Amino acid sequence: EDQVTQSPEALRLQEGESSSLNCSYTVSGLRGLFWYRQDPGKGPEFLFTLYSAGEEKEKERLKATLTKKESFLHITAPKPEDSATYLCAVQDQAGTALIFGKGTTLSVSS
Amino acid sequence: DSGVTQTPKHLITATGQRVTLRCSPRSGDLSVYWYQQSLDQGLQFLIQYYNGEERAKGNILERFSAQQFPDLHSELNLSSLELGDSALYFCASSPGESPLHFGNGTRLTVT
Repeated sequence: EDQVTQSPEALRLQEGESSSLNCSYTVSGLRGLFWYRQDPGKGPEFLFTLYSAGEEKEKERLKATLTKKESFLHITAPKPEDSATYLCAVQDQAGTALIFGKGTTLSVSS
Repeated sequence: DSGVTQTPKHLITATGQRVTLRCSPRSGDLSVYWYQQSLDQGLQFLIQYYNGEERAKGNILERFSAQQFPDLHSELNLSSLELGDSALYFCASSPGESPLHFGNGTRLTVT
């Protein structure tokens, strides 16, 4: 059964304090790994798709990386507006629905 | 704005009742997905439709059903509601299979 585990559940950072979020997965043939950001009361907002081990994607202060067993979302010099819940999801080779982890809630204080 | 529209935003109803949630996908997207999000379970996949046909089923209860109409909008019907059905229900769409673009959800409260 496909499974996604995210850690930590919650992370508090000071503005400018870089850190990483972890997403460990087990899937019967990875078709894609996805990162989303979710703000309170809103739907998840798509950030990145990674397809193969070694791949990296960047967007502003965020960089996502992928290995055969896990993905990391690195946040460099975060700002308060980066505060949100970050969700990781996988899609298997059958190409059906995304299976989501429970997310990491990031709080960045100034 | 993702381009996915969900109505209503909030719904309060009593146990045993039936409700319908509506979703309009992004223009041109043929796939519609329904997800349930609760505090303890996270985002759980319910069902997928592609161009009017059911494509995949997840953890959808028999009391729940969905359909996608010729104009590609979709409805999720929840019946015999229980307190535990209180959650956020999200619709997502995509042109094929990924990535999914989510609406802002319908918050269902069952009292």
